[in-house]
Amino acid sequence: GAGVSQSPSNKVTEKGKDVELRCDPISGHTALYWYRQRLGQGLEFLIYFQGNSAPDKSGLPSDRFSAERTGESVSTLTIQRTQQEDSAVYLCASRPPTGTPYEQYFGPGTRLTVT
Amino acid sequence: GDSVTQMEGPVTLSEEAFLTINCTYTATGYPSLFWYVQYPGEGLQLLLKATKADDKGSNKGFEATYRKETTSFHLEKGSVQVSDSAVYFCALSDRMNDKIIFGKGTRLHILP
Repeated sequence: GAGVSQSPSNKVTEKGKDVELRCDPISGHTALYWYRQRLGQGLEFLIYFQGNSAPDKSGLPSDRFSAERTGESVSTLTIQRTQQEDSAVYLCASRPPTGTPYEQYFGPGTRLTVT
Repeated sequence: GDSVTQMEGPVTLSEEAFLTINCTYTATGYPSLFWYVQYPGEGLQLLLKATKADDKGSNKGFEATYRKETTSFHLEKGSVQVSDSAVYFCALSDRMNDKIIFGKGTRLHILP
């Protein structure tokens, strides 16, 4: 079946602009994660959605970052007033309802470049 | 807080060479340990895992043993192939939460 998809695959934006990144999880997966990977760094956890529970936003680096998810479907990560330090690959992952944390299925990522 | 440290790359080897990528961790409690792999142009995928001390995870010829006494989870393969060229991430998951903590990744290049 289809895996996790993300769009766009690449995004170049000017400093100060807002951007929206999209994640389509695997159908039926209740959990959805967003991560950020800066050049030469590991994956930083950003936010976690699990079903209808309140999302875990503990990894969001500033109030310029927000994410939404409607039910168990698409999620969007929004970065307002982008800064150059926001340049990174943004990864989305989803997990089935019975899975343990390591059963995350990752999308190919969106490479964001802020000029 | 919990953290993962893995050897910096890139690592360049010839085909059929022996591979070791070192990984050590810091964690409270007893985490589960993982290696993820990211092939060029693809998303991360789970390579292998170990959930308790002395467990050995293995897949596609790769192995890693959960060593509690040295807080390590080194990745090994006896004979690498060009198709193993990828970025490898060591990671841990605390049993009490649903988040995974990743290392910085090690890029592996295998020369034919």
